[in-house]
Amino acid sequence: GAGVSQSPSNKVTEKGKDVELRCDPISGHTALYWYRQRLGQGLEFLIYFQGNSAPDKSGLPSDRFSAERTGESVSTLTIQRTQQEDSAVYLCASSLELSGNTDTQYFGPGTRLTVL
Amino acid sequence: GENVEQHPSTLSVQEGDSAVIKCTYSDSASNYFPWYKQELGKGPQLIIDIRSNVGEKKDQRIAVTLNKTAKHFSLHITETQPEDSAVYFCAASKNNNNDMRFGAGTRLTVKP
Repeated sequence: GAGVSQSPSNKVTEKGKDVELRCDPISGHTALYWYRQRLGQGLEFLIYFQGNSAPDKSGLPSDRFSAERTGESVSTLTIQRTQQEDSAVYLCASSLELSGNTDTQYFGPGTRLTVL
Repeated sequence: GENVEQHPSTLSVQEGDSAVIKCTYSDSASNYFPWYKQELGKGPQLIIDIRSNVGEKKDQRIAVTLNKTAKHFSLHITETQPEDSAVYFCAASKNNNNDMRFGAGTRLTVKP
């Protein structure tokens, strides 16, 4: 079946502009995550959505970052007033999480954001 | 919170040799340890995972070992092939996915 999809695949923007990144999780997956991956580095947790629970926003680096999720489907990550240090690949993942145990996270291909 | 360290950061081996990547974690309550492979321009893909109730798991050329006492786990790839070249990430979490933390990654190069 279809995996996690993200759009756009690449985004180049000017410093100070707002950007919106989209994630379509695997159908039926209740949990959705956003990560940031700077060049040559590991994955930095940003935010986690699980069903109708309040999202875990503990990883968001500043109030310029926000995310929303519509039910158990599409999520958008918004970065306001972008800065050059926001340049990175933004990865989205989803997982089933029905059992109460940690389930496999399936990742999308990412959005490469470049802030000039 | 959990802290995961991964070594080495880069690893180069000859085709056919074995490759070993090691990770340590800080939270003794962590009980789920996945390994991901990330090829250039793609998202990470799960290749193997292990839970704390077992010490070793194998899938063809890939194996993972877990030492709960020492809080470290390792990925072993045998008979490496050029297509194994990628960045590999380890991770650790407890019962909730929002606490999963990743290592910094190991860039594996398999020379033909």
